[in-house]
Amino acid sequence: SAVISQKPSRDICQRGTSLTIQCQVDSQVTMMFWYRQQPGQSLTLIATANQGSEATYESGFVIDKFPISRPNLTFSTLTVSNMSPEDSSIYLCSVVQGEGYGYTFGSGTRLTVV
Amino acid sequence: GENVEQHPSTLSVQEGDSAVIKCTYSDSASNYFPWYKQELGKRPQLIIDIRSNVGEKKDQRIAVTLNKTAKHFSLHITETQPEDSAVYFCAASKARNSGYALNFGKGTSLLVTP
Repeated sequence: SAVISQKPSRDICQRGTSLTIQCQVDSQVTMMFWYRQQPGQSLTLIATANQGSEATYESGFVIDKFPISRPNLTFSTLTVSNMSPEDSSIYLCSVVQGEGYGYTFGSGTRLTVV
Repeated sequence: GENVEQHPSTLSVQEGDSAVIKCTYSDSASNYFPWYKQELGKRPQLIIDIRSNVGEKKDQRIAVTLNKTAKHFSLHITETQPEDSAVYFCAASKARNSGYALNFGKGTSLLVTP
């Protein structure tokens, strides 16, 4: 299955600032998914990123707050903008390869906003 | 959209006993049902999955059953061991290879006591 390198692994940020999270995949994938996992909670889909087009956001998530780039088939970034303490979460990227493979997750970015 | 319900939220069993976690889904178009294990501070790891054309799948001590008519699926862990202690998430997706994201249940915290 695909191997995903996600960074940073953790960060502590001041409110009002922005953080960009990167995911690099070791193979080409059509779709990349970004999730948020709040403390003690399940994974919630933020958006789906397709190379060459704008990301598709889920209800409750907007592009101005969570801009996503997908410049090629192996890389994507998620930016958490104008952060507040409520943005403190783990953010994970995920990909799915072809038939026979499951969805793989990056190692996650633990974000704390102070 | 898809709604995945998962029960119980917590489960405590003695080592050697069996554990069963149940999930229901709402979208009859969903056809892929994975289970993830997440240990504290780590990314979700796929432990077993099942597709809608199969009723049951087993991998050593882990099995998953699917009832498409009732739209529910279950994870069965036999001969539990302390290292099985973790949070387990069920998920559902449509047309995996077409780039649909996973929709997760809220998770079950499993504790296996020696």
